Amino acid sequence: AQKITQTQPGMFVQEKEAVTLDCTYDTSDPSYGLFWYKQPSSGEMIFLIYQGSYDQQNATEGRYSLNFQKARKSANLVISASQLGDSAMYFCAMRPTGGSNYKLTFGKGTLLTVNP
Amino acid sequence: GAGVSQSPRYKVTKRGQDVALRCDPISGHVSLYWYRQALGQGPEFLTYFNYEAQQDKSGLPNDRFSAERPEGSISTLTIQRTEQRDSAMYRCASSLTPNTEAFFGQGTRLTVV
Repeated sequence: AQKITQTQPGMFVQEKEAVTLDCTYDTSDPSYGLFWYKQPSSGEMIFLIYQGSYDQQNATEGRYSLNFQKARKSANLVISASQLGDSAMYFCAMRPTGGSNYKLTFGKGTLLTVNP
Repeated sequence: GAGVSQSPRYKVTKRGQDVALRCDPISGHVSLYWYRQALGQGPEFLTYFNYEAQQDKSGLPNDRFSAERPEGSISTLTIQRTEQRDSAMYRCASSLTPNTEAFFGQGTRLTVV
């Protein structure tokens, strides 16, 4: 079974500052992928970044980076130079890879508010 | 198509009626997921298809819920004898392969009155 834990129901950050959104996971699968999605107030789910469990380097996509610490089972999202448009709900998710179970499991989310 | 398309976007139905929610995945995407999302919560897994095969339906709440993807493309989620507790946003996602990122549709907002 897989479990995603996001311990921060809400986070505040000043515009132009960096913010880290926490995500820890639990799985017995040897191979897996970790995802972050953004959900603005409009309701859409926007894919942000992906990290494979065997990737040697932490994933980066523009202002987003994933701080992957495999031994600690954490996959925190770092947003640099926050913008007002970053205010949204952020979800961490994981999915096994390499087997026959490809269930994508989500955490409860963190609501990020960027203050001007 | 360019993205995952879901229809209808909004559905209001009377308790006891059956509803069918449609998902048209990105062309060529092998994997298709259905999720249910309550307000302020994360998406809750319902079921997963690989091509036309329903490989995991462990998240379907009860036997009133069913899903199919007969030709490995469009999928339909059917809820029979709807109840008020079925009211939620129902989301579909697809991915090119089981190991790549999943892209979500806009969702269907179901309201049972």
